[in-house]
Amino acid sequence: AQSVTQPDIHITVSEGASLELRCNYSYGATPYLFWYVQSPGQGLQLLLKYFSGDTLVQGIKGFEAEFKRSQSSFNLRKPSVHWSDAAEYFCVDQTGANNLFFGTGTRLTVIP
Amino acid sequence: DTGVSQDPRHKITKRGQNVTFRCDPISEHNRLYWYRQTLGQGPEFLTYFQNEAQLEKSRLLSDRFSAERPKGSFSTLEIQRTEQGDSAMYLCASSLGKAGTETQYFGPGTRLLVL
Repeated sequence: AQSVTQPDIHITVSEGASLELRCNYSYGATPYLFWYVQSPGQGLQLLLKYFSGDTLVQGIKGFEAEFKRSQSSFNLRKPSVHWSDAAEYFCVDQTGANNLFFGTGTRLTVIP
Repeated sequence: DTGVSQDPRHKITKRGQNVTFRCDPISEHNRLYWYRQTLGQGPEFLTYFQNEAQLEKSRLLSDRFSAERPKGSFSTLEIQRTEQGDSAMYLCASSLGKAGTETQYFGPGTRLLVL
């Protein structure tokens, strides 16, 4: 069964600094992977997705993620964080299923 | 552009009462999903409809829970004899496209508190 691990529960970065959020998946088949963001009072918003092809995928709000099969990872990155990026970030796996399997999330705090 | 809407946004109820939540998906979307999110956790899958047919149910969906999508449009999720452990955010999502590869769009959720 799918399993997604987000090892960092909480990350704090300074505004303007770079960001990397870690995600490891466990399912062996060709993965369908997503990153969603959840801000207080707002619904889950899709940042980006990977189904196949180029292993570096671009998303909205300046985010990108890189799929690395050898490391079973799908880490999310942003070169320069803005205060509005403070939110909860979920790595999600849909490999071989209709529904989404969410990680436990990483809460991002941005300090001025 | 109307996204996925959910009603009510918040619900407070007493233990043992029944509650019903409504989800209106994006109009052309044929698939509808319900998820539950407890504090500090990611959402967990409850059930899934394709048009009016309920095709999949999670083990989390006890017999106190029932979901319907009678005309393949809006959906309702009912919880009977609520328990304090039912307190959570209930999320609805909808999608269109090939199952298993499509993007799911989420509503704002209904936050349930059972006293």
